This record gives sequence, C-alpha cells and structure tokens, in this order.
Amino acid sequence: GAGVSQSPSNKVTEKGKDVELRCDPISGHTALYWYRQSLGQGLEFLIYFQGNSAPDKSGLPSDRFSAERTGGSVSTLTIQRTQQEDSAVYLCAIERKGPLSNQPQHFGDGTRLSIL
Amino acid sequence: GENVEQHPSTLSVQEGDSAVIKCTYSDSASNYFPWYKQELGKRPQLIIDIRSNVGEKKDQRIAVTLNKTAKHFSLHITETQPEDSAVYFCAASNSWGKLQFGAGTQVVVTP
Repeated sequence: GAGVSQSPSNKVTEKGKDVELRCDPISGHTALYWYRQSLGQGLEFLIYFQGNSAPDKSGLPSDRFSAERTGGSVSTLTIQRTQQEDSAVYLCAIERKGPLSNQPQHFGDGTRLSIL
Repeated sequence: GENVEQHPSTLSVQEGDSAVIKCTYSDSASNYFPWYKQELGKRPQLIIDIRSNVGEKKDQRIAVTLNKTAKHFSLHITETQPEDSAVYFCAASNSWGKLQFGAGTQVVVTP
C-alpha cells in the first residue's frame, strides 16, 4: 500500500529456521522503518534507516535480528534461528523527511510470520 | 529521545457520541504529530496530522488539537459511527528524527 511492497505476505516456517522479509519502497523516500506487531498489540519499533546515517538499531530484540537497506532503497529484515515468540506481523514503513518537504509515514501491508 | 504516552488504552462509545484520545510527548523539539487508524487485520493508515505551527486542524468528523506549551495533543471524533471502530495511534517527531508512536487506543463504537 501507498508505494511500499512487502514480501512475502505470509510466511510459515519451523522453529530454528532463518527467514528473510523484504520491503520494496518507492523511490524518493529518505527514511525506512521496521516494526513488529503481535496480535492485539501496538507497534514495536525494530530499526530505522535515515539517509546515509548509521541505522538506529535500538529496537532489535536480540542479536538474531538484523536488517540492511541496499542502495538506499530495498530493505531486508533477517531473523536467524527463529523462535515461536517471533510470530507476529512485520511492518515496513517509509517517509520523506526534511525541513521543507516532510511527507507522512506510509506502511506496507506487512508480512505475517508464523513459527511452528 | 522522544517518549509518547497515549490514553486511554480502550474507549467504548455509543454511536453518535464523541470520542477523545489524548497523547503527551516529551521532546520540545517535536514539530510533527500524525494520527493513524488501524482496522483489524490491516495496516495503519494516516487519518490526520498537525504541525507545530498550528493549534488545531479539522477534517470532516475528525479534528486534532495541539498544545505546545503543555506538550500534549488530542484526537477528537464527533458523531461516531460503527466504522470508526479501530485502533488509533498517535505519534510525534521532529524534522529529522525518528517517528515515535504511542501505545494505541482501541475504540469500540456500539450501535
């Protein structure tokens, strides 16, 4: 939605496997976020990329989680050795920041991750 | 960093009544305050936003007010309808910083 494509839309995997979630945004954004949302819960911030600055990784829950953004565009969130508590919807969001041209944050439709 | 608190966590209103959700923020440098609505099973969507150079903004049945001195902002929904039932999130940021979300308010509109 709104220029942010996430894939896959659903992912079911066995405990202990690694997973990669992809966020493919439209061009022109400057910031990209990953959030995790468990059923009935709020938006848990994971990681934030802004321009060429070092990413804000303060929300990553453990060292099993990592993310990168290649070429300032496509981002991949990787979860290694998945655990059942990793089951959630993972949302990617983008925005354009600047003193004169802020654009609101827009979310993708998310990836629903289920760990068996 | 910015810290946003949102109240109440749940809000039940009768159809036709008004609903008010309140948020406070900690960083006096914050200048952008959006509100998102998330329906069950869907992504959050922006419904209204306000910047620090104005105190109030209205769009049909929804309005947002901002008190910079007190560092709080509120969402007002008038003449509520069943389709207003959803989770609402407030957020705050400055021009370059990370957008910080509140914990969300579950609004239930009963016929």
